[in-house]
Amino acid sequence: AQSVTQLDSHVSVSEGTPVLLRCNYSSSYSPSLFWYVQHPNKGLQLLLKYTSAATLVKGINGFEAEFKKSETSFHLTKPSAHMSDAAEYFCVVSEGVYNNNDMRFGAGTRLTVKP
Amino acid sequence: DVKVTQSSRYLVKRTGEKVFLECVQDMDHENMFWYRQDPGLGLRLIYFSYDVKMKEKGDIPEGYSVSREKKERFSLILESASTNQTSMYLCASTYTGVGTEAFFGQGTRLTVV
Repeated sequence: AQSVTQLDSHVSVSEGTPVLLRCNYSSSYSPSLFWYVQHPNKGLQLLLKYTSAATLVKGINGFEAEFKKSETSFHLTKPSAHMSDAAEYFCVVSEGVYNNNDMRFGAGTRLTVKP
Repeated sequence: DVKVTQSSRYLVKRTGEKVFLECVQDMDHENMFWYRQDPGLGLRLIYFSYDVKMKEKGDIPEGYSVSREKKERFSLILESASTNQTSMYLCASTYTGVGTEAFFGQGTRLTVV
């Protein structure tokens, strides 16, 4: 089955500095990849998704991610962190119809933003 | 508004009880999922279903079973609840297609005492 590995369980940045959250995936097919965010005591919200179109994907709130097949990576970035970005972020992989629409999450990266 | 509804927000059960968690979606989605969310472990897939009466095991199916008799409803069953099943349980649904977004229920926080 497909899987994702989020390389950092916790990332801490200062407000106004860049954010990098790392995700590597494993898949036997051409997967779809997603980033979701979960603010404390809130539900999951889709940030962005990759579906084999453009490799650089733009999402909400200034986030973007780049699909790199050669590196099996889908890292999430933002040029300048805001306090409101503090949350948990999940990378997700799906092989779609190749695998009965199975959908797997990474273990999550907790982002802390310091003033 | 699209909606995935889980039957309970909070649940407290005793060890050994049979527990039913219900999830209903109103979007005519083919695919439904049950995850448990624990700190530091992310969302781990328990079971999913891609059609009525069809089910696939996820990463942690032991101690759980599922039922999908109707397209809109996906039930998670804890055959004999144990304290290590204390967790947040999340239901999700998607339609079949490339890159389809998952819609989540509000979660059920289950405590087994």
